[in-house]
Amino acid sequence: DTGVSQDPRHKITKRGQNVTFRCDPISEHNRLYWYRQTLGQGPEFLTYFQNEAQLEKSRLLSDRFSAERPKGSFSTLEIQRTEQGDSAMYLCASSPRGRGPSGYTFGSGTRLTVV
Amino acid sequence: GESVGLHLPTLSVQEGDNSIINCAYSNSASDYFIWYKQESGKGPQFIIDIRSNMDKRQGQRVTVLLNKTVKHLSLQIAATQPGDSAVYFCADPSGGGYNKLIFGAGTRLAVHP
Repeated sequence: DTGVSQDPRHKITKRGQNVTFRCDPISEHNRLYWYRQTLGQGPEFLTYFQNEAQLEKSRLLSDRFSAERPKGSFSTLEIQRTEQGDSAMYLCASSPRGRGPSGYTFGSGTRLTVV
Repeated sequence: GESVGLHLPTLSVQEGDNSIINCAYSNSASDYFIWYKQESGKGPQFIIDIRSNMDKRQGQRVTVLLNKTVKHLSLQIAATQPGDSAVYFCADPSGGGYNKLIFGAGTRLAVHP
């Protein structure tokens, strides 16, 4: 296993378009997290899944954002009607059962630019 | 509200010197902290963690010190190498039920030959 994989690595989109990102976690990890990181800042929590259940969503996750993990494996994050303020790095992380935050493995992220 | 922050945005050191990166936190109930390293174009990578029942924890070339009285922690890197150049974050999972991390803004460490 090569770690947490995110696709695409970079995405440029026009304002108003919809975008979807994919995250493939480490296969035996049951928890999956999405974070957003703007330039010069630390990552901010968006949401997390335990298996296929979405257990928590941040207030940052407006109604234009939706995340799914339908089979408890890969996850998708969709942003509808993108705005320039959505430009950021979107990071995915996964962790195994019982490890907590010290068990996080982050992917390399998807950098979104909204023009 | 809860925050985790760092004192300096950029730290420049000579190769071979020791580096000290500082972090302040505001939540007195925080009992667990993690340091991450983020290289350009990559996600954060776990370095070391410390629980509040400890004042000090050592890893390979890294030491984390925790001062609960003043709500401050530091990451010390011994014999800094060019490969240590990155942004370093302290993170606190305590406020989110250990289900999410609250990151500070980060300190960029630049190592010069």
